[in-house]
Amino acid sequence: GAVVSQHPSRVICKSGTSVKIECRSLDFQATTMFWYRQFPKQSLMLMATSNEGSKATYEQGVEKDKFLINHASLTLSTLTVTSAHPEDSSFYICSARAGTGNEKLFFGSGTQLSVL
Amino acid sequence: KQEVTQIPAALSVPEGENLVLNCSFTDSAIYNLQWFRQDPGKGLTSLLLIQSSQREQTSGRLNASLDKSSGRSTLYIAASQPGDSATYLCAVRETNAGKSTFGDGTTLTVKP
Repeated sequence: GAVVSQHPSRVICKSGTSVKIECRSLDFQATTMFWYRQFPKQSLMLMATSNEGSKATYEQGVEKDKFLINHASLTLSTLTVTSAHPEDSSFYICSARAGTGNEKLFFGSGTQLSVL
Repeated sequence: KQEVTQIPAALSVPEGENLVLNCSFTDSAIYNLQWFRQDPGKGLTSLLLIQSSQREQTSGRLNASLDKSSGRSTLYIAASQPGDSATYLCAVRETNAGKSTFGDGTTLTVKP
């Protein structure tokens, strides 16, 4: 199956710093990528949808200036958590889809962010 | 607004048992439904995708069914193994370009 690579897998940072998470589709062109947040023992919460070359569409309640998403190419999307605070600590997962048909969603392995 | 519910939230079975996981959704106008597996601290692995025009999909010991009219899908796991222990999530996609709505998952434990 298709491979989505997400890095880093774990980040520990100080409060106030910014953290960038990368999501790459390794063997297909991802026209659409999604970013999710997951709290312990809870399901995925969609944060934003990004289409290559256009601005991301954020879900209600997600601060676009806090969570910067860039989808500059068909194989790379980045999520930057700006001025991170302890409440931003969470598991962040990206997913990618090749097109708008019945393609499957493929997921990265996730990034555990811990803000001290 | 689409809502996806998975019952039960947790399930524990002895090895070898056949089991069924349930997923229900409130809006039957879906594009497709996908079942995933998530191991602790990991991303999601796609198991099966059922298009809206299909009734079921099979892969190995897994069989997923879809009944759009009643808003239900089931994931059947035959001859369960300890390695099947994980959280299973279903996700419903509403349009060809739309986002997917996830259930909260069922955490399965298969005891040796």
